[in-house]
Amino acid sequence: AQTVTQSQPEMSVQEAETVTLSCTYDTSENNYYLFWYKQPPSRQMILVIRQEAYKQQNATENRFSVNFQKAAKSFSLKISDSQLGDTAMYFCAFMTPRSSNDYKLSFGAGTTVTVRA
Amino acid sequence: GAVVSQHPSWVICKSGTSVKIECRSLDFQATTMFWYRQFPKQSLMLMATSNEGSKATYEQGVEKDKFLINHASLTLSTLTVTSAHPEDSSFYICSARDRLRQRANYGYTFGSGTRLTVV
Repeated sequence: AQTVTQSQPEMSVQEAETVTLSCTYDTSENNYYLFWYKQPPSRQMILVIRQEAYKQQNATENRFSVNFQKAAKSFSLKISDSQLGDTAMYFCAFMTPRSSNDYKLSFGAGTTVTVRA
Repeated sequence: GAVVSQHPSWVICKSGTSVKIECRSLDFQATTMFWYRQFPKQSLMLMATSNEGSKATYEQGVEKDKFLINHASLTLSTLTVTSAHPEDSSFYICSARDRLRQRANYGYTFGSGTRLTVV
């Protein structure tokens, strides 16, 4: 079974500062995908960034970047230049094939990020 | 971009009645849709996988007779909570993947969720 662990229930960061969210996962699969989703107070799930396990290069999307350490099974998210709109719950997610055309998405417990003005 | 519409956004119903929640993919076809349940400040728990034209696959511990799922077309899946009770009160979220964008790294698009309160 795959598990995703987010060990930080809550994080607080000053506006314009940087915050890093940790995520570790456990799997015996070699083919998988990792995501960070954001859930603001509206509760709409929004894809922040994605990473293919076979790619060594860390993914980057504007102010969001990841540090993917495959051997350590670690997938942390860095939010640079934090903005008030980044306040949300962040979920690390792991996707692995269940069949040739079916993938299961498993979520971590989430980290609530509060950006202070 | 891909959009998933979920309705209603919130509903209050009396104990013992049934409630239907709709999940529509607006600009793409989805052979597979997923239904999640989320309690306050907790993670998303996958309830079932909805496949167009076939029976849904339920996760362990989810009562298939209580949570009826129908995926009648490539753009619509419905979740019916039957004989609802207060313990069924929760936030329900659907998600879907574009049939034409089957690569896993695209992830899933989520609906905006439905807050169900059973009184």
